[in-house]
Amino acid sequence: QQQVKQSPQSLIVQKGGISIINCAYENTAFDYFPWYQQFPGKGPALLIAIRPDVSEKKEGRFTISFNKSAKQFSLHIMDSQPGDSATYFCAARPYNFNKFYFGSGTKLNVKP
Amino acid sequence: NAGVTQTPKFRILKIGQSMTLQCTQDMNHNYMYWYRQDPGMGLKLIYYSVGAGITDKGEVPNGYNVSRSTTEDFPLRLELAAPSQTSVYFCASSYRGLAGGDRGDTQYFGPGTRLTVL
Repeated sequence: QQQVKQSPQSLIVQKGGISIINCAYENTAFDYFPWYQQFPGKGPALLIAIRPDVSEKKEGRFTISFNKSAKQFSLHIMDSQPGDSATYFCAARPYNFNKFYFGSGTKLNVKP
Repeated sequence: NAGVTQTPKFRILKIGQSMTLQCTQDMNHNYMYWYRQDPGMGLKLIYYSVGAGITDKGEVPNGYNVSRSTTEDFPLRLELAAPSQTSVYFCASSYRGLAGGDRGDTQYFGPGTRLTVL
């Protein structure tokens, strides 16, 4: 049973557009929700993360929106650039243990 | 800090051979993990460790073994390699202490080992 469900599997966005990736979870013990960015041939790297005590977190062009009641969170990439083309993973971690549950990934292609 | 380092970067094995993937971190992290990533797929947890001497199975442990004799090192052993173990293997580490905090909980990944079993 997949603990974190991610959609879409792939996404094509024009340069300057907004990229939106969605994740959903069921386990109410999760209290930390990071997003990772992975370029081809590289390991995933932390992009931005949020805790459930806030509904939104913004870092530059990247924003996480968090809906605790719906158990959903999403990544918004504003003014998407070709350099943002990568695979993005959402993840969740319970409050009492550092075991991370990953979504299946979204391959983003930003067209120039 | 070098972060998380993995060796080798690439390896080709024949069916039935064995090998050890090395992973070292210099951040004094207590948690360490091994994941595999198949082409176009997500990350699947193989094994993890919460500290030296303590390991536990993840989602896909069959065909693998681990040990954690020091805080820094977390080698992954493949016994009797099979074509189904062809994948990219990532080691990661994180710190979980009493203080917590976003950066203290972050997982840091190594560059990966690309393994092909023929």
